[in-house]
Amino acid sequence: GESVGLHLPTLSVQEGDNSIINCAYSNSASDYFIWYKQESGKGPQFIIDIRSNMDKRQGQRVTVLLNKTVKHLSLQIAATQPGDSAVYFCVNGGATNKLIFGTGTLLAVQP
Amino acid sequence: KAGVTQTPRYLIKTRGQQVTLSCSPISGHRSVSWYQQTPGQGLQFLFEYFSETQRNKGNFPGRFSGRQFSNSRSEMNVSTLELGDSALYLCASSLRTDSGNTIYFGEGSWLTVV
Repeated sequence: GESVGLHLPTLSVQEGDNSIINCAYSNSASDYFIWYKQESGKGPQFIIDIRSNMDKRQGQRVTVLLNKTVKHLSLQIAATQPGDSAVYFCVNGGATNKLIFGTGTLLAVQP
Repeated sequence: KAGVTQTPRYLIKTRGQQVTLSCSPISGHRSVSWYQQTPGQGLQFLFEYFSETQRNKGNFPGRFSGRQFSNSRSEMNVSTLELGDSALYLCASSLRTDSGNTIYFGEGSWLTVV
């Protein structure tokens, strides 16, 4: 039978603009979240993580915000570059190393 | 420091055959996990090993198995290959097995079953 791929939400941004990728989670007991970036043909690359006792964490050009009240995470990428084009996953770390990946968001950077 | 290394990177197998994939974790990491990625199902957890013991297992048939050696290197095996086993198989490593420690992925092994 025909194979149907997952439908990835897509965010299209202009080079130089800021990008915001959103993620909702359902388990209110979740205490650790990770953002991964996966470029075509490569494995997921760790970007940044955040624990539930924090609201915000910053890295190089990236910021993750955690709103536990509405169970929402966002990844902000400043001055988006063509090399940022990839699928981004927000992952719940859970109680062990068993990561639960969602569908991911495709970030397309337009020159 | 070398990252997670997976071999082989690409391979083609025939339906009914078996395959073994290898993973060398980051030096010092004792937890190794395996994931399957397909266009239809996304990234799915297969199993995790820590100190040569399987700690967690995903929802895959018994044809999928793995093991970890005393040096933390890991292998996974898929027997009686089916066309649907065609996927990117990813290995990940971390220092510990509890939540909250950074997990790093390798570049994966691309398996095509014909």
